[in-house]
Amino acid sequence: AQKVTQAQTEISVVEKEDVTLDCVYETRDTTYYLFWYKQPPSGELVFLIRRNSFDEQNEISGRYSWNFQKSTSSFNFTITASQVVDSAVYFCALSDEGRIKAAGNKLTFGGGTRVLVKP
Amino acid sequence: EAGVTQSPTHLIKTRGQQATLRCSPISGHTSVYWYQQALGLGLQFLLWYDEGEERNRGNFPPRFSGRQFPNYSSELNVNALELEDSALYLCASSSSGQRLRRGNEQYFGPGTRLTVT
Repeated sequence: AQKVTQAQTEISVVEKEDVTLDCVYETRDTTYYLFWYKQPPSGELVFLIRRNSFDEQNEISGRYSWNFQKSTSSFNFTITASQVVDSAVYFCALSDEGRIKAAGNKLTFGGGTRVLVKP
Repeated sequence: EAGVTQSPTHLIKTRGQQATLRCSPISGHTSVYWYQQALGLGLQFLLWYDEGEERNRGNFPPRFSGRQFPNYSSELNVNALELEDSALYLCASSSSGQRLRRGNEQYFGPGTRLTVT
């Protein structure tokens, strides 16, 4: 069974501080995909990144960076020099191949981490 | 390019009634997914439609059902509404996850907030 754990429920920082969001996943499959989504107060989930299980390269996109470590089943997300507009709930999600072909495309989400950036 | 659209934005129903929620995917996407985000329960997978067929469903009772139309838009129906059905219902779309590589990123709409009184 798939499981995604985001242990931090809420993080509060002051603008310009860095913030790291933890994500730990469980899956029995060797091929799987990891995602991060942002949910601002408006409610719409915004896609941030996708990683497949064979690509352990870290990625940087502007102030965002992701650290994928297969050995610890973690896919952590760092926001550098946070800004007030980064305030949102961030979700980590997993999609695996599934033992049934048709089952492999649903997203299993973690509980989310609420980030509050104060000016 | 237009994103995923959902209607209505808000829906208020009373217990026992039926609710119908609608979703239009991004142009070119054939897969549509429905998720429920209830307070305290997080985001839970409801249904996946691809090429007009239901491909997978989450752990929800049969009164949650839906369909996908030939233009790939989708409808979610919730019968015999219960108070605990109050939630934000999110629709997402992706390019086909059935025939092409799976793990395609899903793009979400703004959601329909359903309130059952």
